[in-house]
Amino acid sequence: DIQLTQSPSFLSASVGDRVTITCRASQAISSSLAWYQQKPGRAPKLLIYTTSTLQSGVPSRFSGSGSGTEFTLTVNSLQPEDFATYYCQQPHSFQYAFGQGTKLEIK
Amino acid sequence: QVHLVESGGGLVKRGGSLRLSCAASRFTFSNYYMSWIRQAPGKGLEWVSYIGGSGTTIDYAKSVKGRFTISRDNPKNSLYLQMTSLRVEDTAVYYCARARAGVSDAFDLWGQGTMVTVSS
Repeated sequence: DIQLTQSPSFLSASVGDRVTITCRASQAISSSLAWYQQKPGRAPKLLIYTTSTLQSGVPSRFSGSGSGTEFTLTVNSLQPEDFATYYCQQPHSFQYAFGQGTKLEIK
Repeated sequence: QVHLVESGGGLVKRGGSLRLSCAASRFTFSNYYMSWIRQAPGKGLEWVSYIGGSGTTIDYAKSVKGRFTISRDNPKNSLYLQMTSLRVEDTAVYYCARARAGVSDAFDLWGQGTMVTVSS
């Protein structure tokens, strides 16, 4: 089974900062990697799919990149509403896997 | 507005059974793969099961295979998860989610979740 490992698990940043979260796969995967944002008590929200395509309605300060086994989510100019937990996910080989999550906190 | 609404969660004893439902609205339900995804308290997301649009393509996570059964009723725009032989470790919020454009794709629509608590 493919495992996804996110780093860091916790991230402290300030409004206006640029942050990057990395998702590493245990083996090479297709470009179907997705990123989600989850706030406490809420369902996850899709931010990016197929590695770099922004879901409709998601601000352009979010971007994704990567290939093979390493993928990144970048948030430019952090806004107060961006402080949340982020998950990567891949639907490879008809089995879905999620990363363990990265909690982004206000410094 | 398109949405998904889960129901059927609750408190059940270890070894018991529970059936979750997910009602879909404002989209052509039968066109989409649907999944159940769960989240234990304070933990990350775990995919549980998916079902294709016609109901013939199904898969399960190893942790629930043989105990959970996914199904759908397209005329009723509904997704179900029959859970049996429940374990304490099945305690979680259960979300239904829509795959954006096929089995190998992201989940673009999520319900609000329903809590399942399995007591020992």
